[in-house]
Amino acid sequence: KQEVTQIPAALSVPEGENLVLNCSFTDSAIYNLQWFRQDPGKGLTSLLLIQSSQREQTSGRLNASLDKSSGRSTLYIAASQPGDSATYLCAVRNTGNQFYFGTGTSLTVIP
Amino acid sequence: DADVTQTPRNRITKTGKRIMLECSQTKGHDRMYWYRQDPGLGLRLIYYSFDVKDINKGEISDGYSVSRQAQAKFSLSLESAIPNQTALYFCATSDWNRGEAGELFFGEGSRLTVL
Repeated sequence: KQEVTQIPAALSVPEGENLVLNCSFTDSAIYNLQWFRQDPGKGLTSLLLIQSSQREQTSGRLNASLDKSSGRSTLYIAASQPGDSATYLCAVRNTGNQFYFGTGTSLTVIP
Repeated sequence: DADVTQTPRNRITKTGKRIMLECSQTKGHDRMYWYRQDPGLGLRLIYYSFDVKDINKGEISDGYSVSRQAQAKFSLSLESAIPNQTALYFCATSDWNRGEAGELFFGEGSRLTVL
């Protein structure tokens, strides 16, 4: 069974800092990997989707990379802002068309 | 309007009651999913459906049932609610387009409390 791990579970940084969130998975036979943002008590908002054939995707201050062979993805957030405070989850879609989620990294950006 | 709509958004009920959570989507996706989220456990799959006639159990289907009334509607039922079913429930949709696996889109969630 696919296992997805996100480390650290929580991260606190001062405003303006660049930061990296990590996601690792055990089975490299995936179709894609998706990063989400979740605000407390809210739904998950899709940030970036990386297909298995891609190495990275960018949207604004966000850049996600994928190294399928090593089972790793990173989400890079540039020039962090207090509004970036949220929980960030990654999910992998395996070749059986099911999604497996990490438990998330809770990010706090301190003004 | 949201692409994936869940009702009710919040519900408090008593042990033994029957509860239905409803999900509708306007994205035209074939695939729909029900997840529950618990603190420290992440998201766990309850049921999923790849089309109206295809319904499959997820990893935690016991105590739940589903109905896919139409391509756009997927309902989750708790026949006899128990306190450990207290959780945040999410409906999600995705598609499969030209051989590429599409994004997963979520509703806003339904918070269920069973007393």
